[in-house]
Amino acid sequence: GEDVEQSLFLSVREGDSSVINCTYTDSSSTYLYWYKQEPGAGLQLLTYIFSNMDMKQDQRLTVLLNKKDKHLSLRIADTQTGDSAIYFCAERRGNNFNKFYFGSGTKLNVKP
Amino acid sequence: DAGVTQSPTHLIKTRGQQVTLRCSPKSGHDTVSWYQQALGQGPQFIFQYYEEEERQRGNFPDRFSGHQFPNYSSELNVNALLLGDSALYLCASSWISDLIYTEAFFGQGTRLTVV
Repeated sequence: GEDVEQSLFLSVREGDSSVINCTYTDSSSTYLYWYKQEPGAGLQLLTYIFSNMDMKQDQRLTVLLNKKDKHLSLRIADTQTGDSAIYFCAERRGNNFNKFYFGSGTKLNVKP
Repeated sequence: DAGVTQSPTHLIKTRGQQVTLRCSPKSGHDTVSWYQQALGQGPQFIFQYYEEEERQRGNFPDRFSGHQFPNYSSELNVNALLLGDSALYLCASSWISDLIYTEAFFGQGTRLTVV
């Protein structure tokens, strides 16, 4: 099917690491993305990974990609209360022109 | 750089009416995509415009139409509104670089409520 799947909720304590998981569908997807959405706001691009990479690190964010299992994860180190938001995984299918397929989002709740 | 701007931010319409939403892409971007985000869901691709033409379309009825202007800004039109059209409508802009896109930047969205 066309569904990108994510777990709905994740709750962590401030200072802990958060790991948000995603399963995508198209093995030919060239780029995979993580977006953040805060209440009442649009989507903020956090990071993306090219499909020929296994890992990408950007400050507190680490993205792991398992192409064989079509599994993508986002690890947030030292999670802060300001990280509380909904996180969307998205895959871009096709090389010409953007067409993103999004998961339903994972709501991250960071407790002080 | 103002980023991607959308107007209006909120809109209330009655069933059966028509609505037009507007998007100005980020400076330097030439491609605009529209997404519908229903409450509690991820965004769903409606269509994409480049060089003033619709290039790709998602699984949306013909009631959803669009336009891109020479300055790359875009409009999304929805006719014969249904209650189920209530959603956050997001515009994303990007640019063709060697025919390969890497990033899409999203606007803040227009919250449409159909009553």
